[in-house]
Amino acid sequence: AQSVAQPEDQVNVAEGNPLTVKCTYSVSGNPYLFWYVQYPNRGLQFLLKYITGDNLVKGSYGFEAEFNKSQTSFHLKKPSALVSDSALYFCAVRDPSGGYNKLIFGAGTRLAVHP
Amino acid sequence: GAVVSQHPSWVICKSGTSVKIECRSLDFQATTMFWYRQFPKQSLMLMATSNEGSKATYEQGVEKDKFLINHASLTLSTLTVTSAHPEDSSFYICSAAISGRAAYEQYFGPGTRLTVT
Repeated sequence: AQSVAQPEDQVNVAEGNPLTVKCTYSVSGNPYLFWYVQYPNRGLQFLLKYITGDNLVKGSYGFEAEFNKSQTSFHLKKPSALVSDSALYFCAVRDPSGGYNKLIFGAGTRLAVHP
Repeated sequence: GAVVSQHPSWVICKSGTSVKIECRSLDFQATTMFWYRQFPKQSLMLMATSNEGSKATYEQGVEKDKFLINHASLTLSTLTVTSAHPEDSSFYICSAAISGRAAYEQYFGPGTRLTVT
């Protein structure tokens, strides 16, 4: 079965410092990986995806993620964190079983950026 | 582009009543829509996948008679929580995939918070 793990419940970063939010996955076949951000009482906003191609994927709001096949990881990164980046971040993987291309989400990581 | 709306954004209902939540794709057609449930401080759990004009596919453990899904047009899917109970209180989020594109590329609505008293 496909699965996604986000090992950290919360990540604390000082504004201006680089941030990393970790994600590891387990899938059969080629992984299709996604990062989403959720602000309080809101739906999810798409940040970036990896389907194929370069291992370093650039996305919205200055975020990027690095696909590492050998470590089965897809960590989200940003060179310089902003207070406004504080939110809940979800990693997701495609589950093609059943033919509907479902998304399976990790538990989420709360990012807190302190001034 | 690719905006998904949900209505209502929040609703309070009494135990035993039914409540309908609408999910609309505003600027695209969506053959496939998904309904998720999110508990406080937890991840999204897929409840069901709906395809326009056909019956929804429910995930294991989701009661299809309790959570009625209708996807009558390419821009509208509805979730009706029947005979609601306090344990149905949750944040419900829908997503939609653009017709003709891969269904894993989903656009999410803002969510509906349901409170059952």
